[in-house]
Amino acid sequence: AQTVTQSQPEMSVQEAETVTLSCTYDTSESDYYLFWYKQPPSRQMILVIRQEAYKQQNATENRFSVNFQKAAKSFSLKISDSQLGDAAMYFCAYRTSTGTASKLTFGTGTRLQVTL
Amino acid sequence: GAVVSQHPSWVICKSGTSVKIECRSLDFQATTMFWYRQFPKQSLMLMATSNEGSKATYEQGVEKDKFLINHASLTLSTLTVTSAHPEDSSFYICSASPGTGIWGEQFFGPGTRLTVL
Repeated sequence: AQTVTQSQPEMSVQEAETVTLSCTYDTSESDYYLFWYKQPPSRQMILVIRQEAYKQQNATENRFSVNFQKAAKSFSLKISDSQLGDAAMYFCAYRTSTGTASKLTFGTGTRLQVTL
Repeated sequence: GAVVSQHPSWVICKSGTSVKIECRSLDFQATTMFWYRQFPKQSLMLMATSNEGSKATYEQGVEKDKFLINHASLTLSTLTVTSAHPEDSSFYICSASPGTGIWGEQFFGPGTRLTVL
């Protein structure tokens, strides 16, 4: 079974600074998808960024980028120019690329605080 | 696009009663829907996966008779918490997926907060 580990329960960053959230995972599969989701106080899950394992290029979405190290099974999220609205819980998630279930396995989450 | 709604957004009920939560995909057909439970300050725990017209597949440790899931159409799934007790109080989130593989993206509903008195 796949597992996802987020070793940072809480992180803090000053506005306009850069922060990196860590995520490691364990799998025996060679093809899969990795995600970072944001859950603000409203509790609505928002997809931040997606990475397909077969792609070597790291995904980027505006101020959000990932550092995907397949051999190390590491998938960190970098938030540049942090904004107050980035404060939220961030969940790393894994999804297999095969089968009909397409279940997501979530990490335990990292709470990000953004300070002035 | 890819909007998922949940109703109600919050519900309070008495112990022993049943509560139904609806999950709808508003602008796409969902071949698969997922139900999650989230306790305060914790991650999402998958309860079950349902495919339209089929019986739901429950995760280990989830009581099938307590958490009844029906996926009657490609746009609607319901979760019924039967004979609810205070320990069932939680935040329930559904997600819907239009397909598998590259099309297996999950789109999340806004969640339902259940409080059992």
